[in-house]
Amino acid sequence: DTEVTQTPKHLVMGMTNKKSLKCEQHMGHRAMYWYKQKAKKPPELMFVYSYEKLSINESVPSRFSPECPNSSLLNLHLHALQPEDSALYLCASSQARPPSYNEQFFGPGTRLTVL
Amino acid sequence: AQSVTQLDSQVPVFEEAPVELRCNYSSSVSVYLFWYVQYPNQGLQLLLKYLSGSTLVESINGFEAEFNKSQTSFHLRKPSVHISDTAEYFCAVSVNTGNQFYFGTGTSLTVIP
Repeated sequence: DTEVTQTPKHLVMGMTNKKSLKCEQHMGHRAMYWYKQKAKKPPELMFVYSYEKLSINESVPSRFSPECPNSSLLNLHLHALQPEDSALYLCASSQARPPSYNEQFFGPGTRLTVL
Repeated sequence: AQSVTQLDSQVPVFEEAPVELRCNYSSSVSVYLFWYVQYPNQGLQLLLKYLSGSTLVESINGFEAEFNKSQTSFHLRKPSVHISDTAEYFCAVSVNTGNQFYFGTGTSLTVIP
């Protein structure tokens, strides 16, 4: 299985809602990533988990809360988002040891719209 | 610090014509290089990669890229494009001291019938 899956594919939420994005991989990867991508722009790194521990947080607002419950799962909890948070949210995974950690596998993304 | 430059934001090309998408990077350490393709409303798919070895790498759908260390480039080429190649293409660089990617700004390839 060389796939990263993400659910849901689309999500519409109000600014007062609480929702979660889910990402799953069964490639035995021990590094997982969340990216945010605006239209016609490159992905922007948000968080990196390595061996289920948060290793990088790119100064993301606290209304985004990541969670890595086990080596196969990565969640992104959303609360009190703003309309400008509307974007495609991509999950990726990779090996956590050099040099293989340099190759990231991406999921199809969740298209988030905040009203 | 690492940076990736894709000088061409949009490249229109006629079907069956050749195309080159340019990518230059700056880094003071050894790098690994990648091209990703993103079709409309989809995630990123790895097109090809350079980790080590031969500087010319090929994908299964006819794309190739050559790592040129002296020119710090990793340009993507295809001798004859198809309508289905219309997509956004991202060049990315990773270094051997960490697991972060540095993406270029992307090139939108449009193949014209």
